[in-house]
Amino acid sequence: DAGVIQSPRHEVTEMGQEVTLRCKPISGHDYLFWYRQTMMRGLELLIYFNNNVPIDDSGMPEDRFSAKMPNASFSTLKIQPSEPRDSAVYFCASSFGTVNQPQHFGDGTRLSIL
Amino acid sequence: AQKVTQAQTEISVVEKEDVTLDCVYETRDTTYYLFWYKQPPSGELVFLIRRNSFDEQNEISGRYSWNFQKSTSSFNFTITASQVVDSAVYFCALSQPKSLADQGAQKLVFGQGTRLTINP
Repeated sequence: DAGVIQSPRHEVTEMGQEVTLRCKPISGHDYLFWYRQTMMRGLELLIYFNNNVPIDDSGMPEDRFSAKMPNASFSTLKIQPSEPRDSAVYFCASSFGTVNQPQHFGDGTRLSIL
Repeated sequence: AQKVTQAQTEISVVEKEDVTLDCVYETRDTTYYLFWYKQPPSGELVFLIRRNSFDEQNEISGRYSWNFQKSTSSFNFTITASQVVDSAVYFCALSQPKSLADQGAQKLVFGQGTRLTINP
């Protein structure tokens, strides 16, 4: 079975550029999560969706970050404009929404903003 | 507030030794879930186990075992006869209370992780 698919695996770009990270959740999963991992702050939940609808975006650091889920099989996390402090590994995860199901993570996107 | 503490930042052992990774959590919920994830050097996060707050039975899966004790708010993970392939960062996580708006999702709070190195 295909797992959560993220692209790109690595992204290096200059400060001020727009960055778009992509995620395809596991088919049939109705929850999708975006996390950020840094050395200083560990794993942080940024936003999550249920049935394509954003439920909680309280973890989104600032207005430069936005996330969309236009359909059940695709989500994007966009940073515009990007800053060096956005450098991190960004993970997408999905789960089937019953309360005892684990979240399954993608391989992550390692983002470097120069 | 929900909190997960993994006091061991790094552990290094020689292959075939047993090793225990500690996880202590804080929550005011009576119903919650605890998880362990493994992050190998390749970077992905791999789900290992889920335990709910009403089930305190220890679980064993091959060389892996988990000890859940509500009395001490701990959910420790033991690897028996460790192997080099076990080298990874291990994360313990706790489910946060579901919001009134959404009763389904499990919002996870992660510990800082324990970096385990198994030396040949």
